Amino acid sequence: GAVVSQHPSWVICKSGTSVKIECRSLDFQATTMFWYRQFPKQSLMLMATSNEGSKATYEQGVEKDKFLINHASLTLSTLTVTSAHPEDSSFYICSARDARGGGGTEAFFGQGTRLTVV
Amino acid sequence: LAKTTQPISMDSYEGQEVNITCSHNNIATNDYITWYQQFPSQGPRFIIQGYKTKVTNEVASLFIPADRKSSTLSLPRVSLSDTAVYYCLVALYNQGGKLIFGQGTELSVKP
Repeated sequence: GAVVSQHPSWVICKSGTSVKIECRSLDFQATTMFWYRQFPKQSLMLMATSNEGSKATYEQGVEKDKFLINHASLTLSTLTVTSAHPEDSSFYICSARDARGGGGTEAFFGQGTRLTVV
Repeated sequence: LAKTTQPISMDSYEGQEVNITCSHNNIATNDYITWYQQFPSQGPRFIIQGYKTKVTNEVASLFIPADRKSSTLSLPRVSLSDTAVYYCLVALYNQGGKLIFGQGTELSVKP
C-alpha cells in the first residue's frame, strides 16, 4: 500500500518554542492532507484539511494562528505548533489521499508524532 | 456530517470470527464506508473500504446492506495480534474524502 511518512516520530520541546512536523507521501501525489490530534485513550480529532496550493481549512475550535499548516507540494505538508505549551502535548497524525481518484480513494496515515512540551 | 456508532469494546478468542457492526444513518449518496485499525502510539492502518454489497480482501470482509445505513466488518479467525481499536468511518465525498473519527471499537483477543 501507499506510504505516508511523518518526521519526527517524537519530539520534546520547551514551552514557548515552535515545533514543525513534516508529513510526506512517498509514492503517490497527495492532493489532500488531513491533520489529526489524539490524546491518550481518546479517538483522533480532525484539526484541519489542506489542499495543495491552497490555505488550510481548520475545524471549529482549532486556532489557525497556533497550528500553522503548509501544503506547498503534492508530496509534503507541514504542521507547525507555534508557542507550544504543555497542553499541546499530544500525538499528532497526518493523513494523505489522492483526491483525484474520487470518493473511493482511501486515505493513508503517517505513523504519528509524539509531541511533549516541557 | 455522517456520524458513526459502533460498540465501544468487544472480546473474542483466538481463532474465532469477529463481526463489528457500525451504524451510519446519515450517510450521503456518494460517501464511502471505510474501516481502519489502530495500535497504541501508531497511526491508523487501512483495512477495507466499500460502497455497497460485499467487499473482501486478504484480511477482512465488509458487508453493506442495500440501504447503506450500517456496515459490518468481519475478521476471520482472529489472533492475539488483532487486539486493537477498530474505527468505522464514512469518507465524506463532498469534502475531499474527509474522515471524522468516532470512538472506535476496542477489540481484545484472548488466548
